[in-house]
This record gives sequence, C-alpha cells and structure tokens, in this order.
Amino acid sequence: DAGVIQSPRHEVTEMGQEVTLRCKPISGHNSLFWYRQTMMRGLELLIYFNNNVPIDDSGMPEDRFSAKMPNASFSTLKIQPSEPRDSAVYFCASTPQGQISNQPQHFGDGTRLSIL
Amino acid sequence: SQQGEEDPQALSIQEGENATMNCSYKTSINNLQWYRQNSGRGLVHLILIRSNEREKHSGRLRVTLDTSKKSSSLLITASRAADTASYFCATLTTGNQFYFGTGTSLTVIP
Repeated sequence: DAGVIQSPRHEVTEMGQEVTLRCKPISGHNSLFWYRQTMMRGLELLIYFNNNVPIDDSGMPEDRFSAKMPNASFSTLKIQPSEPRDSAVYFCASTPQGQISNQPQHFGDGTRLSIL
Repeated sequence: SQQGEEDPQALSIQEGENATMNCSYKTSINNLQWYRQNSGRGLVHLILIRSNEREKHSGRLRVTLDTSKKSSSLLITASRAADTASYFCATLTTGNQFYFGTGTSLTVIP
C-alpha cells in the first residue's frame, strides 16, 4: 500500500517567491496534518483537517502560510511570500479517523525547504 | 507549553545493550505515543499507551506511563545498529491538543 506521498522532496528558492508543498494522504484516511520541523523548535503542528475541513490552524505561523484540502486525496501548504526563516522540513501525516484520537499518524518523508 | 521534554537528548550505546529514554509533559493527557525517525525520513509510529494504562509491550519495546509524575519511558531491549534513529514522544492532551517532544537521538554502535 502506498504511504503518505509528499512532493517535492526538496525545494530551494529565493526569498519572496511563492512555495507550494503537496501531500497525498493514505487512501481512506479522514484526517490530514501538516507539521514543520526545525532544529530550534522541533516538530510543530501547523494545521489539521478532518474530512477536508480545517479544524485547527492555530499553529500556522502567520498570514503568509495557507493550507487547503480541496478533496480527500490532496492537500497543499503554500507560503507566499517566503522568507529565509521558513527554511525547515515540512511533513504531512494522515490518520484513518476524523479527529486527533487514539489513531497513530502515518507520515510522509517530508519536503526539505530552503529559502535563500 | 505542553511540549514534552525528552531525556537524554542524545544516547550512545553498544549493540546488544538496552536503551532507555524518558519523556516528561505538563498537562493531563488522553494518550502518549512514541515515534521513531530515521535520518531524512518521516516519523514512524511505534507504540501508543492510553492514560489508564501503566505499561505496554511491543516486541523489543517496553513503554511505561506514570500520570502522577507526568512522565513516560521507552525501553528498547537488545539494541541493534538498525535502531539508530531519533525517538519522539507525542502527547494528546485532554484538551485535544497534540504535541511532539524534543526527541532523543539514539546511536547504537555495532
């Protein structure tokens, strides 16, 4: 079975550019999560969706960040305009149930983003 | 914040030895999970323990939970070089917030 698929695996771009990260959750999973991982701040939950609806976006750092889930099999995280401090590894994860619960999260391998 | 603090930050042991890492948290939880992260990869779920459980086993893994002390430990027995990774605890609070800890970097020397 395919796991969570993220693209691209690596992205290098100049500050000010728009960045779009993509995620395909495991088929049949109802919840999707976006995380950011840095050495300084560790793993931070940015936003999560239940049944394609954003439930908690309190972790989104600022208005430059936005996330969408137009259907059950696709989500995007967009940064516009990007800044060097956005450099991090961004992970997407999914779970079968429609809420944060006792279900383990299944992670993709992340997108390593570098903003120059 | 609720973020779990893990101890030690880094651990280096010989193959065959046991590895113990600890996680402390701040507020009441529904469950606590442990994940492993190999270099350059996503996190992989290892084990989940509910707040009303005290101990759980899965293969060479043993997890304990002490809600009175707000702490958990992960024991890996008979370690192997392939166990080299970072290990994270994650807590689901009673307020339905989900937080990862700071992680322990484990190196198992062949």
